[in-house]
Amino acid sequence: DAGVIQSPRHEVTEMGQEVTLRCKPISGHDYLFWYRQTMMRGLELLIYFNNNVPIDDSGMPEDRFSAKMPNASFSTLKIQPSEPRDSAVYFCASSLAGRGGEQYFGPGTRLTVT
Amino acid sequence: KNQVEQSPQSLIILEGKNCTLQCNYTVSPFSNLRWYKQDTGRGPVSLTIMTFSENTKSNGRYTATLDADTKQSSLHITASQLSDSASYICVVSAEGGGSNYKLTFGKGTLLTVNP
Repeated sequence: DAGVIQSPRHEVTEMGQEVTLRCKPISGHDYLFWYRQTMMRGLELLIYFNNNVPIDDSGMPEDRFSAKMPNASFSTLKIQPSEPRDSAVYFCASSLAGRGGEQYFGPGTRLTVT
Repeated sequence: KNQVEQSPQSLIILEGKNCTLQCNYTVSPFSNLRWYKQDTGRGPVSLTIMTFSENTKSNGRYTATLDADTKQSSLHITASQLSDSASYICVVSAEGGGSNYKLTFGKGTLLTVNP
């Protein structure tokens, strides 16, 4: 399997623009997670899905952030409008329930908002 | 409030030496504890997962211990290699709906192994 795939790997945008991050989980996994990582705060769970349904979005910082999972093989995290404080590395991870919950992370998208 | 504290923040050792990283947590009710290795510019990779009943788990040169009574865990690296240079993150999961997804992350220990 190719592992979790994220795109783009790097994104530079100007404040106020819309940003869309994409994730393809490992085939067969039924959980998908979006994380954000910064030096100051470390890794933070933003939202997770089970069988394409959002289960817990309490980590989403504010209404400017939204996430969707239209099918089992694709998810997006959207920021609209973006702000400089959104600059971070965004990771997507997937896991299969019943296997100890081990999560497999993608390579991340480094977002820079100027 | 659920918290995970890791120490030291950073560590520099010479190749071939052993080292131990610490993790203290106040997550309740406890479900499991994981150690991840994160190389620069890459996503975290799971090293070990331990539940309440496990007090030691090994993965090659990595050995994790868990003391659920004192709420402490350690990650011991034996005979370090240059490729061990990375950030090591302790993550504790609380019991909750969905079993293992109420995660509390430590900020990590940055390990540098020098030749």
